[in-house]
Amino acid sequence: GAGVSQSPRYKVAKRGQDVALRCDPISGHVSLFWYQQALGQGPEFLTYFQNEAQLDKSGLPSDRFFAERPEGSVSTLKIQRTQQEDSAVYLCASSLVPPNTEAFFGQGTRLTVV
Amino acid sequence: SQQGEEDPQALSIQEGENATMNCSYKTSINNLQWYRQNSGRGLVHLILIRSNEREKHSGRLRVTLDTSKKSSSLLITASRAADTASYFCATDAATGGFKTIFGAGTRLFVKA
Repeated sequence: GAGVSQSPRYKVAKRGQDVALRCDPISGHVSLFWYQQALGQGPEFLTYFQNEAQLDKSGLPSDRFFAERPEGSVSTLKIQRTQQEDSAVYLCASSLVPPNTEAFFGQGTRLTVV
Repeated sequence: SQQGEEDPQALSIQEGENATMNCSYKTSINNLQWYRQNSGRGLVHLILIRSNEREKHSGRLRVTLDTSKKSSSLLITASRAADTASYFCATDAATGGFKTIFGAGTRLFVKA
């Protein structure tokens, strides 16, 4: 595709429910990032993949958060037993290998936990 | 925690005026980037400046970088109503890791 695609665009989950958020990066982009953006704040880094390898997951807030990119293209961010504080926009970005490379962002998935 | 800090937090100007936003960061960096985010949309990359560069231009955008002060500024000249958005600086740490750390952003409102 022409850009980074994320699905779903909106997700409402009941507290305690598991959710899975999908990211389709730009074809050929080695790097993939996940960010969490709370209302009125900048994006917070969650995790980074280079191809299928998860090289940095230091930003994942708890062991309820899990990300994978098994074939080095599509990535899924899974949140287990969702809590209200997980409500945010989850952004995915892809790029060529850093550093000094531009990241292309998807539109994000807005997760609301009720 | 976020490394970049933008100021002002919010800025309101008239169309045609220039807008200046500042960003400060804490550690050594490989590069600094500026992004724009319109309400309800993803981030759009505006410009990247490397740590060995001092100034860069792109259309109506001018970015400066002062690594001794760990600060950067974004100037938008001859602003337009369509420039209304949130602007974020983001840094890639020089010391390992692959994170891009974003600040909290400056909310720019350009009045027609």
